[in-house]
Amino acid sequence: DIQMTQSPSSLSASVGDRVTITCQASQDISNYLNWYQQKPGKAPKLLIYDASNLETGVPSRFSGSGSGTDFTFTISSLQPEDIATYYCQQYDNLPPWTFGQGTKVEIK
Amino acid sequence: EVQLVESGGGLVQPGGSLRLSCAASGFTVSSNYMSWVRQAPGKGLEWVSVIYSGGSTYYADSVKGRFTISRDNSKNTLYLQMNSLRAEDTAVYYCARRLRSWGQGTLVTVSS
Repeated sequence: DIQMTQSPSSLSASVGDRVTITCQASQDISNYLNWYQQKPGKAPKLLIYDASNLETGVPSRFSGSGSGTDFTFTISSLQPEDIATYYCQQYDNLPPWTFGQGTKVEIK
Repeated sequence: EVQLVESGGGLVQPGGSLRLSCAASGFTVSSNYMSWVRQAPGKGLEWVSVIYSGGSTYYADSVKGRFTISRDNSKNTLYLQMNSLRAEDTAVYYCARRLRSWGQGTLVTVSS
């Protein structure tokens, strides 16, 4: 099974800061990677699909990049409403599909 | 508008069974791949199962042989039959369309 290593597990940043989260796959997954945002008590929300494509309606301050085994998720200017936990997920070829461990983003 | 509504969660004893439902509207379940994803209290997300439009099904190793994913095209509804439940199956269970649209989740608690 493909393992996803996401880091950091948590971070604290100021409003307006640039925030970066990384996800590393244990093998080549091409660009079969999603990024989700989850707020407490809510379902995950898809932000980025196919590693770098912004889901409809998602603010442009969110972006993703990478291919193969190394991926990056960026919030260009952190806003108070971005406080949440973020997850990467690989969906390469056949299941099982796996999530990263999550990154909890807080305001400093 | 795409909408997914899960139901069927609750408290069940270890070894028991439960069937979750996910009623869909705004799209056709049988034309999409549909997944179940769970989240144990205070933990991360865990993919559980998927059913493709062609009917192929796949499961996480942790539930293989105990859980069965299915759908009823006439009701436009996805199901997850869960047997031989264990304490570690306690979680909020979400259904998702193409990993893009998610329901609000239903809580399953396995405890004596």
